Amino acid sequence: DSGVTQTPKHLITATGQRVTLRCSPRSGDLSVYWYQQSLDQGLQFLIQYYNGEERAKGNILERFSAQQFPDLHSELNLSSLELGDSALYFCASSVRDRGSTYEQYFGPGTRLTVT
Amino acid sequence: AQSVTQLDSHVSVSEGTPVLLRCNYSSSYSPSLFWYVQHPNKGLQLLLKYTSAATLVKGINGFEAEFKKSETSFHLTKPSAHMSDAAEYFCVVSDASYNQGGKLIFGQGTELSVKP
Repeated sequence: DSGVTQTPKHLITATGQRVTLRCSPRSGDLSVYWYQQSLDQGLQFLIQYYNGEERAKGNILERFSAQQFPDLHSELNLSSLELGDSALYFCASSVRDRGSTYEQYFGPGTRLTVT
Repeated sequence: AQSVTQLDSHVSVSEGTPVLLRCNYSSSYSPSLFWYVQHPNKGLQLLLKYTSAATLVKGINGFEAEFKKSETSFHLTKPSAHMSDAAEYFCVVSDASYNQGGKLIFGQGTELSVKP
């Protein structure tokens, strides 16, 4: 158990809908990262927050957004869902934002299926 | 730009024989490198990390990796495979460039099968 929690575990929804994925980082970690794992794209970085502020952005679609709240939990919002958004979404946390020596601990993921 | 290339998409070994999973990296900086493992329908677990200390890094479950700068490689090895090692393994580099927050860049993964 990494100490990172994600809810829900599974989500099935229809095209055009909007969903929210939730992540709670390990106790004491200030940085939260979101990754998407799909069969065709592999594991890709989406976005990072550090202590409530956006720190880095990756291949995140404009239909997707995220935020980190004062209690450090984070939410990833996916809207106008398409079939291609079906994937496993991981959240990871680490102590710091920079300092690439700090390992990231991953949650169990949320499997999103868009029908 | 930083990247990693995993040279084998699938590796099959017999239980009790050595494991070698190959990874080459490309980095403009002194890299931080990691190996993560993903068991079926599970999250990602950190096996080991290299951060410019010792070039031979020991991880969990008997795995180790050697950083070779001259070959830009970071291969993962284990002397004796166990059935429970069957999983997908990812070689990962951390992006240390400015304003990238240490995001992780993943290789395509190597699926390890272990035959009894």
